[in-house]
Amino acid sequence: ILNVEQSPQSLHVQEGDSTNFTCSFPSSNFYALHWYRWETAKSPEALFVMTLNGDEKKKGRISATLNTKEGYSYLYIKGSQPEDSATYLCAPGGSYNTDKLIFGTGTRLQVFP
Amino acid sequence: DGGITQSPKYLFRKEGQNVTLSCEQNLNHDAMYWYRQDPGQGLRLIYYSQIVNDFQKGDIAEGYSVSREKKESFPLTVTSAQKNPTAFYLCASSSGTGVEQFFGPGTRLTVL
Repeated sequence: ILNVEQSPQSLHVQEGDSTNFTCSFPSSNFYALHWYRWETAKSPEALFVMTLNGDEKKKGRISATLNTKEGYSYLYIKGSQPEDSATYLCAPGGSYNTDKLIFGTGTRLQVFP
Repeated sequence: DGGITQSPKYLFRKEGQNVTLSCEQNLNHDAMYWYRQDPGQGLRLIYYSQIVNDFQKGDIAEGYSVSREKKESFPLTVTSAQKNPTAFYLCASSSGTGVEQFFGPGTRLTVL
């Protein structure tokens, strides 16, 4: 079973601050890296699915980068807003079975107005 | 509206009883998944199905069973053999392998 680590575990920032989180995973057997946002009382929602080393994806103020050789991905939020408050989950999938995602424990972000 | 529904939202079970959690999707997705969440842990895969009438064990399948008789439905049965069933259960689906998964709202199961 892959060991997926996310840091920090939690983060409190002021509205307007930019922030970033890290997802670390074993680089062998890598196929794809998923990022999900999970707001309280809602379902997890996909942000990005990344497969290529050096890949960068962006959705509004949120962007992510991927380094498959060293086994990490960064998620950036520019100008955080209170509505960005959520738990952010990363989940790599292995090449041996692309359906089996291994989820990290998440980074819980709270943005104060 | 397309999406995934899970029922019930809250479920209470007495020890020794089997209970079935419902998961239905109208997204026409081939693949469906069941995850379990416990405090302080990431989502853990219980079972998944890539196609009707076929399913595979995930990392923590012991004490659980599933069926996939219809494309839209993937019910999970928590049997009395599951030693610690109290948890939050999430169902998900996807259109294929290596693509984003869509999640339902979850069912919180409590064993009394």
